[in-house]
Amino acid sequence: DAMVIQNPRYQVTQFGKPVTLSCSQTLNHNVMYWYQQKSSQAPKLLFHYYDKDFNNEADTPDNFQSRRPNTSFCFLDIRSPGLGDAAMYLCATSLTGGAETQYFGPGTRLLVL
Amino acid sequence: AQSVTQLDSQVPVFEEAPVELRCNYSSSVSVYLFWYVQYPNQGLQLLLKYLSGSTLVESINGFEAEFNKSQTSFHLRKPSVHISDTAEYFCAVSAPNSGYSTLTFGKGTMLLVSP
Repeated sequence: DAMVIQNPRYQVTQFGKPVTLSCSQTLNHNVMYWYQQKSSQAPKLLFHYYDKDFNNEADTPDNFQSRRPNTSFCFLDIRSPGLGDAAMYLCATSLTGGAETQYFGPGTRLLVL
Repeated sequence: AQSVTQLDSQVPVFEEAPVELRCNYSSSVSVYLFWYVQYPNQGLQLLLKYLSGSTLVESINGFEAEFNKSQTSFHLRKPSVHISDTAEYFCAVSAPNSGYSTLTFGKGTMLLVSP
């Protein structure tokens, strides 16, 4: 089945130690998104790629970076995680954006010790 | 910019009872509206969406939502809920700009269905 895959499902890191979360898709969609979801809060868009075109939300901290080496894969790099970065990170895709349905992966829960 | 308000953080209801989950939005331009559902330990899934046309939209599992432009609302309803409907429900809005835009989500409403 075509889907959005996120690995790992749970990630534990230490304060200040770089961490990378990965997302892959078999849908061949042009757009890939990364959201941060904290407990009892709305998913918050961090950035997205339209193909290779990177779009950073204005309030996304510089600590967060992303890479999309090809259509299928997208990575979220947190350079120096702080305790406040503990959250669920959701990856999503859509064919072309706009009114298109977004397809979400199961998420990676990040714990920062 | 757009914003979404879901006033109820939790809605407890008994099985087979009707339910309404409220969603209000704010936008200075025309919008598309969405409801996503998140079951425990899973990602979000699209439940239904309003783009244009009929203001009443339905999902395959008995939910419906009505777009009310004058009240800037998009409430989600189901006449009879099941235990399996227990999940978190997110309302979202996008304001297409040249056909391309991103979603803004509300904080979510946890629907708790008990026997």
